[in-house]
Amino acid sequence: QKEVEQNSGPLSVPEGAIASLNCTYSDRGSQSFFWYRQYSGKSPELIMFIYSNGDKEDGRFTAQLNKASQYVSLLIRDSQPSDSATYLCAVFDRTAGNKLTFGGGTRVLVKP
Amino acid sequence: DAGVTQSPTHLIKTRGQQVTLRCSPKSGHDTVSWYQQALGQGPQFIFQYYEEEERQRGNFPDRFSGHQFPNYSSELNVNALLLGDSALYLCASSLAGVAFYEQYFGPGTRLTVT
Repeated sequence: QKEVEQNSGPLSVPEGAIASLNCTYSDRGSQSFFWYRQYSGKSPELIMFIYSNGDKEDGRFTAQLNKASQYVSLLIRDSQPSDSATYLCAVFDRTAGNKLTFGGGTRVLVKP
Repeated sequence: DAGVTQSPTHLIKTRGQQVTLRCSPKSGHDTVSWYQQALGQGPQFIFQYYEEEERQRGNFPDRFSGHQFPNYSSELNVNALLLGDSALYLCASSLAGVAFYEQYFGPGTRLTVT
């Protein structure tokens, strides 16, 4: 059973601080990794994806991938109350079929 | 640029009934994947359609079936509804061969089974 694990939270951070979210996966064949943001009652919104080891930055978001340790993380710099949402980690493995396998999500709460 | 659309937004059905959900992919996309998201959980893959055929299927019973039309839109059908089928049903579109993995979600259909 291929799994994606996330801490369910809530992760509470003060406004302006850095929120750090982690995700581990069990399948070493996983090739691409995605972070989605989901507001309550809404559908997931793609924030960014990464497929090479190292860091990838996009605005206030940085994704970090370590395939040897099988984890991927998301940093949110200068957190804003509007960042309060559930963040879903997803992995893609072409050899396992063209589908995304999601973790359960981490709820983030940014306090003013 | 038209995004992914789904209909209806909300639906209430009774146990044992059948339901059909619809999805139109993002402009330029040709692949549609369906996911079920129960409350408090991550989306679970149901199946994927490409070139009007089911290409991949997740761990869902045969009560869940689908179809893709020549214009790439898709339907999800669920027969003999159970209370446990209550969930947010998400459609995601992508472009085959280039970026199967870069999937964009529609707003979802909230199904309540009573």
